[in-house]
Amino acid sequence: AQSVTQPDIHITVSEGASLELRCNYSYGATPYLFWYVQSPGQGLQLLLKYFSGDTLVQGIKGFEAEFKRSQSSFNLRKPSVHWSDAAEYFCAVLNTGFQKLVFGTGTRLLVSP
Amino acid sequence: DTGVSQNPRHKITKRGQNVTFRCDPISEHNRLYWYRQTLGQGPEFLTYFQNEAQLEKSRLLSDRFSAERPKGSFSTLEIQRTEQGDSAMYLCASSFPGGQYNEQFFGPGTRLTVL
Repeated sequence: AQSVTQPDIHITVSEGASLELRCNYSYGATPYLFWYVQSPGQGLQLLLKYFSGDTLVQGIKGFEAEFKRSQSSFNLRKPSVHWSDAAEYFCAVLNTGFQKLVFGTGTRLLVSP
Repeated sequence: DTGVSQNPRHKITKRGQNVTFRCDPISEHNRLYWYRQTLGQGPEFLTYFQNEAQLEKSRLLSDRFSAERPKGSFSTLEIQRTEQGDSAMYLCASSFPGGQYNEQFFGPGTRLTVL
């Protein structure tokens, strides 16, 4: 069965510093991978997705993610964090039947002044 | 039509009562999903519709839960005889019938509190 691991429950980053959120997946074939962001009390907004091709994908709000098959990872990065980026971030993989997303437990990002 | 909408946004109920939530997907989307998110966890899949047909149900969806999408447009999720463990955010998502690119668009969710 597919699974996603986000090893960091909380991360605190200073405003203006770079960010990397880790995501590891378990999947038998080429995965379809997603990063979503959730602000408090809100639904999920898609940041970026990977299906195939270039392993470095660009998303909204200045985020990017790199797919590394050898490490089963899909880490999210941003070169300079803004206070408005404080939120919860979820990595997800699409299951084999293409019908549902399997999410990690999320990483809460705190941005310090 | 700017996105997926869900009503109500918040629901507080007493244990044992029935509740019903509604989801209106993006109009041209034929696939509709329900997820449940408990505190500190990622969303977990509950069920999925393609048009009006309910094609998959998670084992999380006990007999007290029922979902419908009668005309292939909006969907309702009903929980009967609510329990405190049902307290969660219930998220609805929809997707365009675009083959492998199953990008799901999420609504704001309905937060259920069972007292």
